[in-house]
Amino acid sequence: AQSVTQPDIHITVSEGASLELRCNYSYGATPYLFWYVQSPGQGLQLLLKYFSGDTLVQGIKGFEAEFKRSQSSFNLRKPSVHWSDAAEYFCAVGGRRDDKIIFGKGTRLHILP
Amino acid sequence: EPEVTQTPSHQVTQMGQEVILRCVPISNHLYFYWYRQILGQKVEFLVSFYNNEISEKSEIFDDQFSVERPDGSNFTLKIRSTKLEDSAMYFCASRSQGAGNQPQHFGDGTRLSIL
Repeated sequence: AQSVTQPDIHITVSEGASLELRCNYSYGATPYLFWYVQSPGQGLQLLLKYFSGDTLVQGIKGFEAEFKRSQSSFNLRKPSVHWSDAAEYFCAVGGRRDDKIIFGKGTRLHILP
Repeated sequence: EPEVTQTPSHQVTQMGQEVILRCVPISNHLYFYWYRQILGQKVEFLVSFYNNEISEKSEIFDDQFSVERPDGSNFTLKIRSTKLEDSAMYFCASRSQGAGNQPQHFGDGTRLSIL
């Protein structure tokens, strides 16, 4: 079955610290992988995507993610977080033959001043 | 940058009433979607739409739901007789048909509250 697991419901980091949000997926074919961010009261903004090629993908706002097929993971990283990064982050998977996107339950990121 | 726009931002409706949620996808996009997010839960796929017909729908999308593209710009989701459990945030998304795959772009959502 297709699924996305984000094991951390909440993550708290200090401003300026590094960040890694975990994501594991289960998908029966070559996955397309996404990270979306949702600020309170806002919609879903695409941070980055992986379709093929280089397994380290760069996104907006200084985020990057690495696709590791052997671990079925697509973790999101940022070297130094800013207070404005406080939001909910969703990992998602889709595929060439499967147009819908399947989302994880999200990780809420809190930033300490 | 082009955006997906959704109206209204918040809709309050009595149980059993019909509701129509409206979306204006990005203008050159060809694939359209509705998702929903019940409070505290994950975003769930409802339906995809391409070339004026439904491409795929989830088990949530029963015969109380319908979608329509009534003109060249709008994409609507209708719930015929709303239930309390329809209360959720509804997101519209669209994507283009470019070389390779293209990501879905989401609107800000419509919060639907059923009383």
